[in-house]
Amino acid sequence: RKEVEQDPGPFNVPEGATVAFNCTYSNSASQSFFWYRQDCRKEPKLLMSVYSSGNEDGRFTAQLNRASQYISLLIRDSKLSDSATYLCVVNRPSNYQLIWGAGTKLIIKP
Amino acid sequence: EAGVVQSPRYKIIEKKQPVAFWCNPISGHNTLYWYRQNLGQGPELLIRYENEEAVDDSQLPKDRFSAERLKGVDSTLKIQPAELGDSAVYLCASSLMVKRSGSEQFFGPGTRLTVL
Repeated sequence: RKEVEQDPGPFNVPEGATVAFNCTYSNSASQSFFWYRQDCRKEPKLLMSVYSSGNEDGRFTAQLNRASQYISLLIRDSKLSDSATYLCVVNRPSNYQLIWGAGTKLIIKP
Repeated sequence: EAGVVQSPRYKIIEKKQPVAFWCNPISGHNTLYWYRQNLGQGPELLIRYENEEAVDDSQLPKDRFSAERLKGVDSTLKIQPAELGDSAVYLCASSLMVKRSGSEQFFGPGTRLTVL
């Protein structure tokens, strides 16, 4: 089992819709979780950190489910510009390393 | 503020040739990372530096890859000799510090390597 797993997609979603995807992790001791966004042929950029109580940033909501060991990202009122690959990142406490998922590709259609 | 700078942006070489990548992190960032990213995959850590010390190089293929970070600032990553399977995007990232819980990483634009 991979340390961090994501559905590769693509998720094809009409503009204005709500879309959500999850990321599962295997190390129950992990404490930090992030969502990064990567546009085609560009570098990853931090979208948001994921806090235990859940957090929201505009149209984006991130949540953590420790019991089931997954994090989620919800995008409301999706825009064409939201089309990208969303990478889930989880820390590995033993060596401070951040482990990256393979990403979920999102395509917003007009 | 300038971001992470990498060069070259693109490199095409024949197999068995050497290649080197250069990275200049964000000023003041003491931690520097080299990642390799293949198409459809997430970044894979090759090496992490804290200042000039390589603190995690467990995934660096040491038979052909080497890296250095002179004076704890700029870094170079070298492959010698390159193999076909080394074709990938090589990303450099930096962060202000490494917390036990993880720190935000800022990435450079990457070097896209093609080995023929």
